Amino acid sequence: GAVVSQHPSWVICKSGTSVKIECRSLDFQATTMFWYRQFPKQSLMLMATSNEGSKATYEQGVEKDKFLINHASLTLSTLTVTSAHPEDSSFYICSASNPTGGAQPQHFGDGTRLSIL
Amino acid sequence: GQSLEQPSEVTAVEGAIVQINCTYQTSGFYGLSWYQQHDGGAPTFLSYNGLDGLEETGRFSSFLSRSDSYGYLLLQELQMKDSASYFCAVRDPFDRDDKIIFGKGTRLHILP
Repeated sequence: GAVVSQHPSWVICKSGTSVKIECRSLDFQATTMFWYRQFPKQSLMLMATSNEGSKATYEQGVEKDKFLINHASLTLSTLTVTSAHPEDSSFYICSASNPTGGAQPQHFGDGTRLSIL
Repeated sequence: GQSLEQPSEVTAVEGAIVQINCTYQTSGFYGLSWYQQHDGGAPTFLSYNGLDGLEETGRFSSFLSRSDSYGYLLLQELQMKDSASYFCAVRDPFDRDDKIIFGKGTRLHILP
């Protein structure tokens, strides 16, 4: 089945550091990928939609200059959290649009737990 | 817009049956899905209902009534490993990117 790999699985870094998270579709091409953020005991909140070869579309309230998204190929999207601060600590999850469609529209990565000290 | 309502927490006993309800309000409808998420993990797709009725997959079943804007997830023969959060979700039929909108999630506690 379709597999999405997300790396790293966890990051601990100092405030002010920029952190890059990678999302790869391993056995299919994904023209569209999604980035979610999830705080403890809350739901997944869509941050942005990443389309290969074009600018990402950000949801309302998400700072595009802080959360840089690059979707340079059909198998890779990256999310860079720039100048991260403790309030950016969260669980970040990517997903890739299912090219075959059907009941399951997206395949999820395993998530990245980001902790900013 | 889209909104989904589901209970925040449910507690049940191992071996029992539990039902998690979900009501939705959407400007368009393209089916109701259910996802399971264990602590620290990513959401896992469980089921999808595009039409009214019951869909069964092993111990899990999902039901949809479009006229009532209502669905539920039924878990039978509960096991400790079923302790997780369960999200109902809808897709936006007017969105070209096929976004998923998640409910707030129901945390299921299983007692031995």
